[in-house]
Amino acid sequence: DQQVKQNSPSLSVQEGRISILNCDYTNSMFDYFLWYKKYPAEGPTFLISISSIKDKNEDGRFTVFLNKSAKHLSLHIVPSQPGDSAVYFCAASDWVNTPLVFGKGTRLSVIA
Amino acid sequence: KAGVTQTPRYLIKTRGQQVTLSCSPISGHRSVSWYQQTPGQGLQFLFEYFSETQRNKGNFPGRFSGRQFSNSRSEMNVSTLELGDSALYLCASSLQRATPTDTQYFGPGTRLTVL
Repeated sequence: DQQVKQNSPSLSVQEGRISILNCDYTNSMFDYFLWYKKYPAEGPTFLISISSIKDKNEDGRFTVFLNKSAKHLSLHIVPSQPGDSAVYFCAASDWVNTPLVFGKGTRLSVIA
Repeated sequence: KAGVTQTPRYLIKTRGQQVTLSCSPISGHRSVSWYQQTPGQGLQFLFEYFSETQRNKGNFPGRFSGRQFSNSRSEMNVSTLELGDSALYLCASSLQRATPTDTQYFGPGTRLTVL
């Protein structure tokens, strides 16, 4: 049973436009969420996180929104750049059990 | 500071064999976690080691095991390899326990192919 779902395997966006990556979760105990970015032949790198006490967290061009009632979070990248082309993983944790639960990832392609 | 290193980067084995993968964490990091990445399942947690003790284990069969040494380096072992074990195995280190707020730094992974 996939507790963290990224339903879009891929997404293509024009350079300079907004990229929106979505993530849904089923476990209501999850209260901390993270996004990781992965380039080919490299390990994932931490991008941004949000705890359940917030509904928005911003870091430069990256903003994560959390809708707890809908069990949905999204990552917005504005403006998108070709260097943002990578696979993005959403991850969640309930603190008690600690290990991160990852989604399957969304491949973002930013077209120049 | 050097990042997380994993050796070897690529491995080809046949069914029934066993394999050992190695991970050297960032200097000073005490926690090492292992993940399996496959196209169909994404990243799945295998286990976490902290201070040479397994602190958490994911839902994998007993063929998957690991250990951590006093210098925080870690190895994972897969015995009696199956075709379905073909995957990218990622190691991640963090300063203390792998809590959500303690950033995990990933290595580049070991690509295992089982024929």
